[in-house]
Amino acid sequence: GQNIDQPTEMTATEGAIVQINCTYQTSGFNGLFWYQQHAGEAPTFLSYNVLDGLEEKGRFSSFLSRSKGYSYLLLKELQMKDSASYLCAVRDPNDYKLSFGAGTTVTVRA
Amino acid sequence: ETGVTQTPRHLVMGMTNKKSLKCEQHLGHNAMYWYKQSAKKPLELMFVYNFKEQTENNSVPSRFSPECPNSSHLFLHLHTLQPEDSALYLCASSQQAGPGANVLTFGAGSRLTVL
Repeated sequence: GQNIDQPTEMTATEGAIVQINCTYQTSGFNGLFWYQQHAGEAPTFLSYNVLDGLEEKGRFSSFLSRSKGYSYLLLKELQMKDSASYLCAVRDPNDYKLSFGAGTTVTVRA
Repeated sequence: ETGVTQTPRHLVMGMTNKKSLKCEQHLGHNAMYWYKQSAKKPLELMFVYNFKEQTENNSVPSRFSPECPNSSHLFLHLHTLQPEDSALYLCASSQQAGPGANVLTFGAGSRLTVL
């Protein structure tokens, strides 16, 4: 099985930077995903990391360290619309299923 | 606009009712999934269909019964549910399950309340 841990809640100010950490303990690893879910809406794909390092996509970046079982999602120049839940998920190399963390609710304040 | 559509968006039912949730995707995907999302808990995978064949039943109680008539449609039939089954039920699809799996595309979910 997989154990995925991420903080429950984070609050930040508009224009600031927030880093959402995700740690995992797994029997295997075949990639880590980040999803964004606004209240009442579908989770939407943000990023995928399978190799160590930083992946940048505009204001959002995701980092992975496989040796440490650690990832983070970095949100820069925060906007009010970034208020959402952010889900970390790890894929199992044996059955290719995703195991999700409980999600981090980010609140952006003016 | 998500490519995965779920209906109804909200459902309230008694413990003796029978109802169904519907999911439809027009993305050309061959795998479809049901997840349960409860407050403050990780998404729980319930069922997986790959090319219309059920490949995963994650120890889900028999009061939940999935049906996949074709690669574009997925149903979750509900019967004699318990209040603890109240949750958001998310449908997702991907190109295929297993080694060829790519990113999941989710629907907006069906919010179920069992009284």
